[in-house]
Amino acid sequence: GENVEQHPSTLSVQEGDSAVIKCTYSDSASNYFPWYKQELGKRPQLIIDIRSNVGEKKDQRIAVTLNKTAKHFSLHITETQPEDSAVYFCAASQFYFGTGTSLTVIP
Amino acid sequence: DVKVTQSSRYLVKRTGEKVFLECVQDMDHENMFWYRQDPGLGLRLIYFSYDVKMKEKGDIPEGYSVSREKKERFSLILESASTNQTSMYLCASVRGGPSYNEQFFGPGTRLTVL
Repeated sequence: GENVEQHPSTLSVQEGDSAVIKCTYSDSASNYFPWYKQELGKRPQLIIDIRSNVGEKKDQRIAVTLNKTAKHFSLHITETQPEDSAVYFCAASQFYFGTGTSLTVIP
Repeated sequence: DVKVTQSSRYLVKRTGEKVFLECVQDMDHENMFWYRQDPGLGLRLIYFSYDVKMKEKGDIPEGYSVSREKKERFSLILESASTNQTSMYLCASVRGGPSYNEQFFGPGTRLTVL
């Protein structure tokens, strides 16, 4: 089956700085890569996704890049705000998740 | 707005008890999933279902079974609960179709097995 690795496990940034979370996957057949945000005590919610036919997708302060050759994809958050503090999960295909990154944005 | 609900937010059971966790979605989604979430391990798939009465094993099905008698309801069953099944359990549903779609998660059930 698919194996997804996610780094770092924790990340602290100053408000206004950028944050980058990286994931790698093992199955070259995977073609859908969503990112979920889970605030403390709440359910995971989709924030952005990318399919294998594109290399980059952007939605306001959030962007995702995909390198199919290297089998890795990354989440970029610019101009971070305290409300960005949460756990972020990457996934490959529908249901293979990474282990999560706890992001803290320091005001 | 999609709504996925789970029968309990918190549950405490004894070792050896049979435990039922229920999940209901109101958007006529074909696909439903059960995950467990543990610190440092992320979300791991236990079972999923593509249709009524259909089920497929995920990565960690041992000690669990599922039931899907109606499209909107997907139940997770712990036949004989053990302490290593103490975890957060998340249900999710997804619209079916030829391409991948967003998963909508329930609020989770935090199960403690004593």
